[in-house]
Amino acid sequence: AQSVTQLGSHVSVSEGALVLLRCNYSSSVPPYLFWYVQYPNQGLQLLLKYTSAATLVKGINGFEAEFKKSETSFHLTKPSAHMSDAAEYFCAVKGSSNTGKLIFGQGTTLQVKP
Amino acid sequence: SQTIHQWPATLVQPVGSPLSLECTVEGTSNPNLYWYRQAAGRGLQLLFYSVGIGQISSEVPQNLSASRPQDRQFILSSKKLLLSDSGFYLCAWSRAYGYTFGSGTRLTVV
Repeated sequence: AQSVTQLGSHVSVSEGALVLLRCNYSSSVPPYLFWYVQYPNQGLQLLLKYTSAATLVKGINGFEAEFKKSETSFHLTKPSAHMSDAAEYFCAVKGSSNTGKLIFGQGTTLQVKP
Repeated sequence: SQTIHQWPATLVQPVGSPLSLECTVEGTSNPNLYWYRQAAGRGLQLLFYSVGIGQISSEVPQNLSASRPQDRQFILSSKKLLLSDSGFYLCAWSRAYGYTFGSGTRLTVV
C-alpha cells in the first residue's frame, strides 16, 4: 500500500531564504508523486508532479522537487521564499489501483517572515 | 477546458439536520470522482470515490454517504449530521494522471 509522510507540520523561513519541505513516500510500485498548495479556505492547486520522466521536476511559482528513489523522497524546494508562498503544502502519491485515488500526507504549513 | 464546480462554499448546519453537497464537472466524460475531507489541523482524508455512474466506494466508515446519479455529478449526503462532520470538504476529478480539485465547502455543524 502507498503512503506519504511529510516531515514537519510547520516550517518557518525568512523572506528570501531557501524553502525546503520534506516528503517521503512508501510504494510497492513505481510511484506517481504530487505536490499541492492550499491557501486558506480554498481548494488545492497543483504545484508539480512526477510521473516517471525526469527526476527533477519544475513546477509553478519557482518551486521544484527531486525524485530520489534510493531515499524514497520527493522534497519540495524553492531558492527564495516570497511572502505569497505562505500556505499549506501537501505531498501526495497516486494509489496503485485503477481508481486513481491520491493518498495525501498530513500537510506542512509554511510561514514566511518578513 | 475542464472545470469543476462545488457548492455551497460555506454551510452552517445544526446537529441532526440533513446534508447535501453537490459537485459537477464540465468538459470531460467518465471521470473518476472523489470526496475528501480536511478536518481542522489535519490532512486530507479520502471519503468516497467513484469510477462510474452509480459506482461508489467508501474509504472509511462514517455518517456520510455519496451518490453519482449522472456521469459528471457527485453528491455527498448525510441524513443526520454530527458535530464530528465539521470540516472542509473537497471534491475532485481525475483522468490519467491529472487531478483537479473544487474550491471546497466549509461545513460547520453546531
